Amino acid sequence: EVQLVESGGDLVQPGGSLRLSCAASGFTFSDYWMSWVRQAPGKGLEWVANIRRDGSTKNYVDSAKGRFTISRDNAKNSVYLQMNSLRVEDTALYYCAREDNWSRNYWGQGTLVTVSS
Amino acid sequence: QSALTQPPSASGSPGQSVTISCTGTSSDIGGYDYVSWYQQHPGKAPKLMIYYVTKRPSGVPDRFSGSKSGNTASLTVSGLQAEDEADYYCSSFAGSANWVFGGGTKLTVL
Repeated sequence: EVQLVESGGDLVQPGGSLRLSCAASGFTFSDYWMSWVRQAPGKGLEWVANIRRDGSTKNYVDSAKGRFTISRDNAKNSVYLQMNSLRVEDTALYYCAREDNWSRNYWGQGTLVTVSS
Repeated sequence: QSALTQPPSASGSPGQSVTISCTGTSSDIGGYDYVSWYQQHPGKAPKLMIYYVTKRPSGVPDRFSGSKSGNTASLTVSGLQAEDEADYYCSSFAGSANWVFGGGTKLTVL
């Protein structure tokens, strides 16, 4: 059974940093691109970043460029999102998702990031 | 990276059909067949319902179907059931390694 479990969400002040983790199981992790998608409270979904199977290619939404870094450790079956210079508007539930067939076919339950003073 | 446009709400009675539209541009929906649809129940993670515009993942009922014409994609739910009441989001590849989602449509089963 495919499982994705996010962790690392917390309350942080504007300008602060946070590192999110996503532990994967139930599939060959290194065979898949992985994504982070966020959802602000009461709002819709927003793609944040994705990373190639071997970690060699990383893509970001414009608002995350220069502040967020996606990475992965295939030996640990994990993907990460390092978030720096956090803003109030980054407050959201952050989902980890597995990519397949140009879509996201498995999602975790999310980890909540709150940016507030 | 503008969001795709969806109607905020849609509704239908049990057994009826309802179609949700998703409008983009020639740079996203119109340019690629990488349109997908997601169902999200309150407090739950999104679930993939349609990919490659028309394809259903294993386990998704054939009451759900997708289509595309020009810059607009559509999700049709036939034979509405109470458990279909949820939020639905479209998504498309937008070129230059970018992805966009729609704002979401709340489907109510009357």
